[in-house]
Amino acid sequence: KNEVEQSPQNLTAQEGEFITINCSYSVGISALHWLQQHPGGGIVSLFMLSSGKKKHGRLIATINIQEKHSSLHITASHPRDSAVYICAVSTGLGGGADGLTFGKGTHLIIQP
Amino acid sequence: DTGVSQDPRHKITKRGQNVTFRCDPISEHNRLYWYRQTLGQGPEFLTYFQNEAQLEKSRLLSDRFSAERPKGSFSTLEIQRTEQGDSAMYLCASSLAFLLAGGNYEQYFGPGTRLTVT
Repeated sequence: KNEVEQSPQNLTAQEGEFITINCSYSVGISALHWLQQHPGGGIVSLFMLSSGKKKHGRLIATINIQEKHSSLHITASHPRDSAVYICAVSTGLGGGADGLTFGKGTHLIIQP
Repeated sequence: DTGVSQDPRHKITKRGQNVTFRCDPISEHNRLYWYRQTLGQGPEFLTYFQNEAQLEKSRLLSDRFSAERPKGSFSTLEIQRTEQGDSAMYLCASSLAFLLAGGNYEQYFGPGTRLTVT
C-alpha cells in the first residue's frame, strides 16, 4: 500500500512570500497529482505529473521519481491562495487514470 | 461542459436507513471514481468505473457499500444500513482515459454529498 506524507500540515505565511509544500510517497507511482480544496469541499486539480516540472501561473510543481518526492511552490502568495493543498498518487497501469491515494493535505493560510 | 454534479449535496439520515447518492460525470468522460472524505483527512478511494464496468471494488468499505454505472453515464453509490461512522463527504470524480491513444487523465471532482447519520 502506498503511503503519502505531506509537510507541513499547517502553514501560515504573509502575502508575497514564497511557499513550498512537500509530498513524499513510499512506492513507485504512475502519476502524482496536486489538488486544491477550498472550505465547503470543492476540489480542483492543479497539476498531474509523472516527471520533471510543470508551471501554471504562480504555481510550480516538481517531482523527483528516484527520491519519491514532489514539491508544490507558490510564488508571490496571495490571500486567495488560502486553501488545503492535497498531494495524491496513482499506482495503477492507467497512466494516472486509476483511483488515487491521498495525503492528509496542507492547510495554507496567507495573511494580508 | 457543465462539470461533475452530485445529488443531493447534503443528506441527513437515521442510523439503519439506506441512502443512495447520484453522480453525473462530465459527458465525454469514460472513467468515474467514488471517494470518501472524513473531517480533517484526505479523501480515500472507494471504487471506479470505466464506462459501465466496475474495475475496482475491493476498496469499498464493507458489503454495505455498492456502486453502479448501468449505462456508462451517471453512477449511484448506495449505503445500506447506515452507521454513524458512515458520516462523511462522498466525492465523485471523472476523467477521460485512453490507455493506448493517450488522453488527459486529470480527474475532475464534483462538489460532494455530505452525509450525516444520526
